[in-house]
Amino acid sequence: KAGVTQTPRYLIKTRGQQVTLSCSPISGHRSVSWYQQTPGQGLQFLFEYFSETQRNKGNFPGRFSGRQFSNSRSEMNVSTLELGDSALYLCASSDEGRNEQFFGPGTRLTVL
Amino acid sequence: GEDVEQSLFLSVREGDSSVINCTYTDSSSTYLYWYKQEPGAGLQLLTYIFSNMDMKQDQRLTVLLNKKDKHLSLRIADTQTGDSAIYFCAERQQYSSASKIIFGSGTRLSIRP
Repeated sequence: KAGVTQTPRYLIKTRGQQVTLSCSPISGHRSVSWYQQTPGQGLQFLFEYFSETQRNKGNFPGRFSGRQFSNSRSEMNVSTLELGDSALYLCASSDEGRNEQFFGPGTRLTVL
Repeated sequence: GEDVEQSLFLSVREGDSSVINCTYTDSSSTYLYWYKQEPGAGLQLLTYIFSNMDMKQDQRLTVLLNKKDKHLSLRIADTQTGDSAIYFCAERQQYSSASKIIFGSGTRLSIRP
């Protein structure tokens, strides 16, 4: 099976812009979670989607949003970008009822 | 609280055993995980342990869980240069049908020749 894929791998934006990141889970996985990784804050949970519904949300402002499509692919959007949004954004998928969560390679976002 | 704590650095000699320690706070955690992250890469799931177990062995990896002290460790036997990476301890917190994984800050393992 192909692993979790994320596009794009690298992105450079300027403050005030918005960005959309994409994640394709492992085939058959219906749960997708998003994390932000920064040197200062480490890995922080953003949200989890299952069957097109947001099931859980971390402590991030409303500028961070996401959605999941019927094929389980997920997107996350960040609006009005700030310098502090520069991070590696990781997506992970899991098979409902199983305990392993598999991560993609991440999208590195740089905000100038 | 949601804290998962790890020491930031560990240096071991090639061929020795590495022991990476972690403490967590949520006694209701169901699963505890160890992930490995190499430079420029995502997280690779190494192993995990259910909270009612106290030990799990998988080839060179041994996980020990002390639930009373909320202490988790990962032992890597015969450490090799390819084991150089950041190792993250994580706990899975379950809330009815939802869950989230809380990560520690990661331990950077470096190997001395």
